[in-house]
Amino acid sequence: EDQVTQSPEALRLQEGESSSLNCSYTVSGLRGLFWYRQDPGKGPEFLFTLYSAGEEKEKERLKATLTKKESFLHITAPKPEDSATYLCAVQAFDYKLSFGAGTTVTVRA
Amino acid sequence: DTEVTQTPKHLVMGMTNKKSLKCEQHMGHRAMYWYKQKAKKPPELMFVYSYEKLSINESVPSRFSPECPNSSLLNLHLHALQPEDSALYLCASSQLGNKNIQYFGAGTRLSVL
Repeated sequence: EDQVTQSPEALRLQEGESSSLNCSYTVSGLRGLFWYRQDPGKGPEFLFTLYSAGEEKEKERLKATLTKKESFLHITAPKPEDSATYLCAVQAFDYKLSFGAGTTVTVRA
Repeated sequence: DTEVTQTPKHLVMGMTNKKSLKCEQHMGHRAMYWYKQKAKKPPELMFVYSYEKLSINESVPSRFSPECPNSSLLNLHLHALQPEDSALYLCASSQLGNKNIQYFGAGTRLSVL
């Protein structure tokens, strides 16, 4: 069974204080690893997809990396608007997404 | 444009009511999904439609009945729900094949009284 574990559960940052979120996974046949951002009461917003170990993607203050066992989401110099829950999900060859429990990030001004 | 539109945004229903949730996308995606999300939990897959045919049913109770009338629309018919069915219901769509990125709607917040 596919498993996705995210850490930490919650992260409180000062504005400008860079940090990283971890997503470790076990999956039989990885098709892709996905990062989503979710604001309270809203649907997940797609951020990145990574397909192979060594791959990196960047968008504004966010950078996602992938190894064979885990992915990191690096937040550089965060702003209060980066406060959200960040969800990691893996997709196996049946196209189903298995989500981790998420990391809730709070950035204080 | 990666928009998936869900209506209504909020729904309150009694346990004897019948209601429907609607989802629409115009991205040409041929796969559509229903998820259920409880507070502070990740989304849980309920159903998957591929080319308008039900391909995955994650052992969801029969009081939830999905329907895909065409490639752009997805409905979820609700009947005789229980209070524990109160949750955020999310619709998503994606292409089929290698670039299978699921794009989500804003969800319907359902409360069952």
